[in-house]
Amino acid sequence: DIQLTQSPSSLSAFIGDRVTITCRASQGMRRGLAWYLQKPGKAPKRLLYDASTLQSGVPSRFSGSGSGTEFTLTISSLQPEDFATYYCLQYDSYPRTFGQGTKVGIK
Amino acid sequence: EVQLVESGGALVQPGGSLRLSCAVSGFSFSGHWMDWVRQAPGKGLEWVANIKYDGSEKYYVDSVKGRFTISRDNAQNSLYLQMNSLRAEDTATYYCSRHLEDLGQGTLVTVSS
Repeated sequence: DIQLTQSPSSLSAFIGDRVTITCRASQGMRRGLAWYLQKPGKAPKRLLYDASTLQSGVPSRFSGSGSGTEFTLTISSLQPEDFATYYCLQYDSYPRTFGQGTKVGIK
Repeated sequence: EVQLVESGGALVQPGGSLRLSCAVSGFSFSGHWMDWVRQAPGKGLEWVANIKYDGSEKYYVDSVKGRFTISRDNAQNSLYLQMNSLRAEDTATYYCSRHLEDLGQGTLVTVSS
């Protein structure tokens, strides 16, 4: 199984900050990696897939990059609605696996 | 608009069974893989199972193999998850998903005596 480790587990940031979250895989992957945002009590929402393709309707301040064992999600200018928990997911192989999540809070 | 509406969640005793359903609309159900994802209270997301658009392939996370069965009815635009031999650790909100792109609002399963 591919294990995904996100870092940091949590962070605090100001509105307007640039934020980067890393997802490290236990073995090399192709590009079957997605990022999700989840707010309390709500279903997760996919932001990016195939490591760097922006989901339709998602603001361009979100971007993704990476390959192999290291992938990143970047928010170029943090907005109030971005405070949430973020998860990476690999769909390169079975079983699909999620990272443990990164909670982004307000500083 | 893609809609995924889960139902069937309930309080069930350990060892019991439950069948979750997901009614879908807004897309061609028979042309998409479908998944179940779960989230234990206060915990992260866990992929549970998926099924190919024609039902010919199914995959499961190890922790539910032999206990859970995913199925679909393309004529009824419905996805199912039959859960047997339920354990306390199966307590979670279960989300139906169109190929891990869209997720429904979830249905809560609580396994407790």
